[in-house]
Amino acid sequence: AQSVTQPDIHITVSEGASLELRCNYSYGATPYLFWYVQSPGQGLQLLLKYFSGDTLVQGIKGFEAEFKRSQSSFNLRKPSVHWSDAAEYFCAVGAQGAQKLVFGQGTRLTINP
Amino acid sequence: NAGVTQTPKFQVLKTGQSMTLQCAQDMNHEYMSWYRQDPGMGLRLIHYSVGAGITDQGEVPNGYNVSRSTTEDFPLRLLSAAPSQTSVYFCASSSQLNYGYTFGSGTRLTVV
Repeated sequence: AQSVTQPDIHITVSEGASLELRCNYSYGATPYLFWYVQSPGQGLQLLLKYFSGDTLVQGIKGFEAEFKRSQSSFNLRKPSVHWSDAAEYFCAVGAQGAQKLVFGQGTRLTINP
Repeated sequence: NAGVTQTPKFQVLKTGQSMTLQCAQDMNHEYMSWYRQDPGMGLRLIHYSVGAGITDQGEVPNGYNVSRSTTEDFPLRLLSAAPSQTSVYFCASSSQLNYGYTFGSGTRLTVV
């Protein structure tokens, strides 16, 4: 069965610092991978997705993620965070051709001024 | 273009009551799903649909029913509410050709 692990429950970084959120997945075939962001009291917004091709994908809000098959990872990065990036971030893997998604437990990001 | 619309936004039920959470999308998406979100547990799939007339169970289907008579609508029915069903419920839809679910703003349900 598919599964997603986000090892960090909570991360705190300073404004302007770089960010990397970790995501490891378990899936037998080529995965469909996603990162979502959720601001407090809001729904989820898609940041980026990977299906095939270039393993470094660019998303919205200056985020990027790199797919590493050998490590079963899809880590999210941003060179310089802004206070508005404070939110919860979810990694997800698509199953059955992305007909449904399996989510990780989420990483809550706090930004220090 | 409203995207995915969920109603109501908030609901309080008594144990044993039934209700239907409404979900509608106007993007002509084939795929629709219901998730529940609980603290520390991420989002868990309740039921999903790959097209009108086709539904299947997700990870936590017990106590919930769905049907999909049209492409646009995917209601979630709680048959007999229990306190364990207190949660935030999200509906989402996705195109079959351009993957990536679009989420509604959620329904916060409390069962007392």
